Amino acid sequence: GAVVSQHPSRVICKSGTSVKIECRSLDFQATTMFWYRQFPKQSLMLMATSNEGSKATYEQGVEKDKFLINHASLTLSTLTVTSAHPEDSSFYICSARAADTHNSPLHFGNGTRLTVT
Amino acid sequence: AQTVTQSQPEMSVQEAETVTLSCTYDTSESDYYLFWYKQPPSRQMILVIRQEAYKQQNATENRFSVNFQKAAKSFSLKISDSQLGDAAMYFCAYTGSQAGTALIFGKGTTLSVSS
Repeated sequence: GAVVSQHPSRVICKSGTSVKIECRSLDFQATTMFWYRQFPKQSLMLMATSNEGSKATYEQGVEKDKFLINHASLTLSTLTVTSAHPEDSSFYICSARAADTHNSPLHFGNGTRLTVT
Repeated sequence: AQTVTQSQPEMSVQEAETVTLSCTYDTSESDYYLFWYKQPPSRQMILVIRQEAYKQQNATENRFSVNFQKAAKSFSLKISDSQLGDAAMYFCAYTGSQAGTALIFGKGTTLSVSS
């Protein structure tokens, strides 16, 4: 089955530093990947759509200069949280479709728990 | 804009019993897809079942089935013969007909299963 690998699974960083999260499609190519954010006991909120070879599309209210997304290849998208602050502490999940059809289910990475101290 | 509503923050069921989780959505599109995902404490997202809007027949996957009412924009999940391993947060999700569109999730329902 389609596998999405996300790394790291857990990271703690100091306020003001930057953190990079990687999302890889291991056995398929993904022209589009999606980044979600989830607070405890809440739903997944779409942050941005990552498009291979072009700029990401950010949802309203998401700061593109703070959450930098790079989709340099068909199997890798990265999310960099720049100048992190405690309020950025959250669970970040990436996802992708194994086929470029809208009815294919999203496959999710196992998520990254970010704690900013 | 499309929205997904899950009105039951928490539900409980006893082992071997049946439980139904409700979901409604709002869209102006005629072609779309609906999903139920399960998120256990590990926080891994697991696909439970999916439904194509153009199909009248309700989807089923073993103990999981849906009641899809397109006119009412309702998409409920029925879990039969509940097991302890079914305890998790369940999310209803919608995606539109355009390629490259993300899933929109409801707020989720936390299901507890007692023995």
